[in-house]
Amino acid sequence: EPEVTQTPSHQVTQMGQEVILRCVPISNHLYFYWYRQILGQKVEFLVSFYNNEISEKSEIFDDQFSVERPDGSNFTLKIRSTKLEDSAMYFCAISDRSTEAFFGQGTRLTVV
Amino acid sequence: AQSVTQLGSHVSVSEGALVLLRCNYSSSVPPYLFWYVQYPNQGLQLLLKYTSAATLVKGINGFEAEFKKSETSFHLTKPSAHMSDAAEYFCAVTRGGSNYKLTFGKGTLLTVNP
Repeated sequence: EPEVTQTPSHQVTQMGQEVILRCVPISNHLYFYWYRQILGQKVEFLVSFYNNEISEKSEIFDDQFSVERPDGSNFTLKIRSTKLEDSAMYFCAISDRSTEAFFGQGTRLTVV
Repeated sequence: AQSVTQLGSHVSVSEGALVLLRCNYSSSVPPYLFWYVQYPNQGLQLLLKYTSAATLVKGINGFEAEFKKSETSFHLTKPSAHMSDAAEYFCAVTRGGSNYKLTFGKGTLLTVNP
């Protein structure tokens, strides 16, 4: 059974629309992350989240991105106004005080 | 800052042959190192990890990797390739501690020929 589930598995959206990607951890974890992988490229760190606030973010994570845990369970990534270059696979990852991060299966976002 | 270099974007081996996927890292602090595997249209699965304990690390599916500080390397090996090993492999580094931001290499696509 996976430690983390992501929904949806695939989302197609029009440029300029808002999207929300969801991550549901199976058990309690302390640290949450979003990564993305543009087709054919490496996996890139976007943001880490701990104790209900962003602990670190990359230069990719600009003002159009936001994260939250609205109900203390789901961890969401919102992209306010999608661009074509936002098309990618987005991975949620979770960890605790150990060193291992568990990745979800990913959400493939296609912006048209 | 940390970085990972994976030599060879594509490695092709015959079934039963040795698999060697190369990873070199750069880190200003003692690193924690990982190998992840990604099968087509799937997420990232942890193969093995080095976290400052034994330098030879054994992982799942018969893979192992050796941390060599003098060479700043963490190469992944498997004595005998199987068709099911065909996938993309990513080496990643983190500084450890409580914030496990991972820095990934560009990945190596492994193909296994019958």
